[in-house]
Amino acid sequence: AQSVTQPDIHITVSEGASLELRCNYSYGATPYLFWYVQSPGQGLQLLLKYFSGDTLVQGIKGFEAEFKRSQSSFNLRKPSVHWSDAAEYFCAVGYSGGYQKVTFGIGTKLQVIP
Amino acid sequence: GAVVSQHPSWVICKSGTSVKIECRSLDFQATTMFWYRQFPKQSLMLMATSNEGSKATYEQGVEKDKFLINHASLTLSTLTVTSAHPEDSSFYICGLLGAVNTEAFFGQGTRLTVV
Repeated sequence: AQSVTQPDIHITVSEGASLELRCNYSYGATPYLFWYVQSPGQGLQLLLKYFSGDTLVQGIKGFEAEFKRSQSSFNLRKPSVHWSDAAEYFCAVGYSGGYQKVTFGIGTKLQVIP
Repeated sequence: GAVVSQHPSWVICKSGTSVKIECRSLDFQATTMFWYRQFPKQSLMLMATSNEGSKATYEQGVEKDKFLINHASLTLSTLTVTSAHPEDSSFYICGLLGAVNTEAFFGQGTRLTVV
């Protein structure tokens, strides 16, 4: 069965500092990988996704993520964090045959301090 | 991307009553919609997948008689929590498959509190 691990439940960074959120997945075939962001009381917004091709994917709001098959990782990065980035971030993996089932990680709560 | 409207955004109900949550696709005809549940400090757990015009497919451990899902049209799916109890208090989020079947769009969620 597929699974997603986000080892950091809570991360605090200073505004302007760089950010990396870790995500490791377990899935036998080629995964579909996603990063979603959830602001307090809000639904989920897709930041970026990886299906195939270039392993470095660019998303919205200045985020990027790199798929590393050898490490089964899909870490999310941003070079300079803004206070508005404070939210909860979910990594997710879907079946390679389509979206039909997606497993989410536990989420990483990002706090940004001035 | 598709716009998904979920209503209500929050609801408080008495134990033993039923609550209906609506999920509407405003600009897209969704043949497949999802319902997730999120407990505090936990991830989103898929409850069921609903397909327009057919019965929903429930995940293991989810009581289909307690969580009634209806997907009567391509733009509306409803989740009814029947005989709600305090342990049903949670954040419920609906989602739908996008046009290329490889991306999902989510509603803003419903915070259910059963007292």
